[in-house]
Amino acid sequence: GAGVSQSPRYKVAKRGQDVALRCDPISGHVSLFWYQQALGQGPEFLTYFQNEAQLDKSGLPSDRFFAERPEGSVSTLKIQRTQQEDSAVYLCASSPRLAGVENEQFFGPGTRLTVL
Amino acid sequence: SQQGEEDPQALSIQEGENATMNCSYKTSINNLQWYRQNSGRGLVHLILIRSNEREKHSGRLRVTLDTSKKSSSLLITASRAADTVSYFCATDGSGWSRGSQGNLIFGKGTKLSVKP
Repeated sequence: GAGVSQSPRYKVAKRGQDVALRCDPISGHVSLFWYQQALGQGPEFLTYFQNEAQLDKSGLPSDRFFAERPEGSVSTLKIQRTQQEDSAVYLCASSPRLAGVENEQFFGPGTRLTVL
Repeated sequence: SQQGEEDPQALSIQEGENATMNCSYKTSINNLQWYRQNSGRGLVHLILIRSNEREKHSGRLRVTLDTSKKSSSLLITASRAADTVSYFCATDGSGWSRGSQGNLIFGKGTKLSVKP
């Protein structure tokens, strides 16, 4: 399909392990967002890319979280030394418009991360 | 958390009845959006209402916006069993200290249950 895809869909990690979550946005979409959704909560913003530039990373909870989008398409969210509080669903969204314009976002199915 | 608030947190109705969900937010906005989310799935955009609009319709959906009260409502008419998902309102990040690049600020959601 032509939607946003994410992999893996589920990830179980042992505490202290590093993980990498992948997002394939809709082709040609300029803007890419990562959100974290804890159980029973709404998504919370992590970081934003405009093409390959990471313009906002104010939502990343710690320096263990790192995101990149080197060629302006696929993005990877990396979490180092995972902790139990990192357990959540990580959602990726893309938008054809620059952020700040009316920005309907297209979401992927998410990666459910469980840290044991 | 800087999220808005949806009300009620959970709503149970009979098929064919109307469902009304409310959303309050804290600061000025450019627009407000409503999304739905199946359990374990990503969010799907439903409707966007601009800050200078008061009401908008899309199929069985009716959204109102009262910027003086910083609130919005989503009405789903003639509900169906397939409407049984969670609904989130989301505002753009223009009025928030964190995230000014067009990311969305989500509420905690309303879980709707439509019984056949």
